[in-house]
Amino acid sequence: QKEVEQNSGPLSVPEGAIASLNCTYSDRGSQSFFWYRQYSGKSPELIMSIYSNGDKEDGRFTAQLNKASQYVSLLIRDSQPSDSATYLCAVPYGQNFVFGPGTRLSVLP
Amino acid sequence: DVKVTQSSRYLVKRTGEKVFLECVQDMDHENMFWYRQDPGLGLRLIYFSYDVKMKEKGDIPEGYSVSREKKERFSLILESASTNQTSMYLCASNPEGETQYFGPGTRLLVL
Repeated sequence: QKEVEQNSGPLSVPEGAIASLNCTYSDRGSQSFFWYRQYSGKSPELIMSIYSNGDKEDGRFTAQLNKASQYVSLLIRDSQPSDSATYLCAVPYGQNFVFGPGTRLSVLP
Repeated sequence: DVKVTQSSRYLVKRTGEKVFLECVQDMDHENMFWYRQDPGLGLRLIYFSYDVKMKEKGDIPEGYSVSREKKERFSLILESASTNQTSMYLCASNPEGETQYFGPGTRLLVL
């Protein structure tokens, strides 16, 4: 059984701080990883993908991958109230995706 | 831009009714998926399809069936709706080996 785990939260950070979201996965052979953001009542939208060990930056978002430790994280710099959402980690497994339960982030003004 | 559309945003049905949820994608994706999402349970895969007329059961197929007669359209069918099928239903599609794109979701209430 392939598993993807995340802390459910809520994670609360003040506006302007760095939010750090973590995800661990069970399949050591996984090669690609995706972060989705889901606002309440809306569908998930892709915000980051990462395939190689190390960091990948896109604006205020940085994805970090450590395959040896089987974790992937998402950092959000200068957090804004509009970043308040649930963040889902997803790992492909064959033709399917395994999604983590999501971490609810609340950015406090 | 990839576009995945679902036939209804909100739907109210009565117990025992047959319910059809339609999903259409316009990017010629091979793979299409149906999930349901419930508070505290995350995304759960109901059925998926790799190709026309092909379907595979996901983690929670009981009470559901699917149809894929054309590549762009994937339908989810609730043969006899029950109150425990009240949920948010999400359709997704992706090309081979790439990320999934989600439709806007259908919030179904079964009374």
